[in-house]
Amino acid sequence: DQQVKQNSPSLSVQEGRISILNCDYTNSMFDYFLWYKKYPAEGPTFLISISSIKDKNEDGRFTVFLNKSAKHLSLHIVPSQPGDSAVYFCAATRSGSARQLTFGSGTQLTVLP
Amino acid sequence: NAGVTQTPKFRVLKTGQSMTLLCAQDMNHEYMYWYRQDPGMGLRLIHYSVGEGTTAKGEVPDGYNVSRLKKQNFLLGLESAAPSQTSVYFCASSDGHVSYEQYFGPGTRLTVT
Repeated sequence: DQQVKQNSPSLSVQEGRISILNCDYTNSMFDYFLWYKKYPAEGPTFLISISSIKDKNEDGRFTVFLNKSAKHLSLHIVPSQPGDSAVYFCAATRSGSARQLTFGSGTQLTVLP
Repeated sequence: NAGVTQTPKFRVLKTGQSMTLLCAQDMNHEYMYWYRQDPGMGLRLIHYSVGEGTTAKGEVPDGYNVSRLKKQNFLLGLESAAPSQTSVYFCASSDGHVSYEQYFGPGTRLTVT
């Protein structure tokens, strides 16, 4: 049973436009969410996170939105750049779990020049 | 400051052979983790450690053993490799106190024939 789901395996966006990546979760115990970015042949790198007590967190071009009632979060990238082309993973964790992360299956973002 | 390093980068094993993957971190992190990544499945937690001398099972621990004899090192062992263990293995570390962020190594690509 997948507790964190990324239903779009791929997304293509034109350079300069907004990229929106979506993530759904089923475990209501999750209280912290993270987005990771992964280039081929490299390890994932942390991008942005959000606590369940917030509904939005912004860092430069990246904004994460959390809708707890819908158990849904999204990552917005504005404006999108070709260097943003990568696989994006959504991850979730809960307090007291030794920070164990449960990952979604990832979304391949391609930003077209 | 190398962050998280993994040895080796690539390995091919025959079914039934054994091997050890080494993970080292120089950030003085308490928590360390081993994940595997398979196509279309995201990253899944194999084992983790919350401190020197401690280990615990994650989501997919069968067929693997781990040891954390030194704080900076976390070893993942395969006693009798099986083709189902063909995967990319990632090690990660976290300070365990302030941040939920995990820092990942570059990965080890293992093929079992």
